[in-house]
Amino acid sequence: EPEVTQTPSHQVTQMGQEVILRCVPISNHLYFYWYRQILGQKVEFLVSFYNNEISEKSEIFDDQFSVERPDGSNFTLKIRSTKLEDSAMYFCASSVSGRWSGNTIYFGEGSWLTVV
Amino acid sequence: GQQLNQSPQSMFIQEGEDVSMNCTSSSIFNTWLWYKQDPGEGPVLLIALYKAGELTSNGRLTAQFGITRKDSFLNISASIPSDVGIYFCAGQGGGADGLTFGKGTHLIIQP
Repeated sequence: EPEVTQTPSHQVTQMGQEVILRCVPISNHLYFYWYRQILGQKVEFLVSFYNNEISEKSEIFDDQFSVERPDGSNFTLKIRSTKLEDSAMYFCASSVSGRWSGNTIYFGEGSWLTVV
Repeated sequence: GQQLNQSPQSMFIQEGEDVSMNCTSSSIFNTWLWYKQDPGEGPVLLIALYKAGELTSNGRLTAQFGITRKDSFLNISASIPSDVGIYFCAGQGGGADGLTFGKGTHLIIQP
C-alpha cells in the first residue's frame, strides 16, 4: 500500500539552527500538509500546499517556517531558526482531493525534532 | 477556531469488551476521520465519513457521522490486545484544508 515517507525519523538540533524536514507524499496525491504534535498533546495543523503554493496556514506557521516542493516527489518543511518550543513530532500528510471533495488524508510516520 | 471535544480521555477495559468513544463540536464538519496512533508513530487512518448520518464499518470498527454534522462516534467490538493505542477523531469543515483533531482517547486493555 502506498505510504507517505518522511526523513529524518529523528533530529536533534541546537537552538537557532535551521532544520529541513523532508517528505515524499503518495505519488498520485495533489494536496500536501504538515502537522505537528507536541509530546502528549493533540495533532495540530500547520500548512497545506496545492499547485505549488500554500493553500492555507495556521497561526503556528509563522515567518520562521517555509515549505517547498523542490522537485516532482519531495515536499519539505524548513524551520529557519529553531526555538526550544519547536521540539515536536512533525507529520507530513497527503491527499488526492482537497477541502470540498470528501477528503481522506494519509499521514507519514513523523520526524521527531528535538531542539536543545 | 474550531474545537473538538473527545471523550473519554482514557479507557481501561478487559480483552473482549466492546469500546465506544465519541467526539462533539459546536462547529459543523463536512468530513470526520478516525485515526489510531501507536507510540512514536504517525496517525493511521481507520475510518473516513463524508455524509451526515453515514454509518461505516471496517472489520470490528464502526463509526457514524452524526446527523447534525457536529458529532461522531467510534465503536470497537470484541477488543484485542493490538487495539491498544490512542484514538483520535479529526474533522474537516468550514472551508478549511486543515483537520481539527480531538485530544485523543487512550485505550488500555487489561489481559
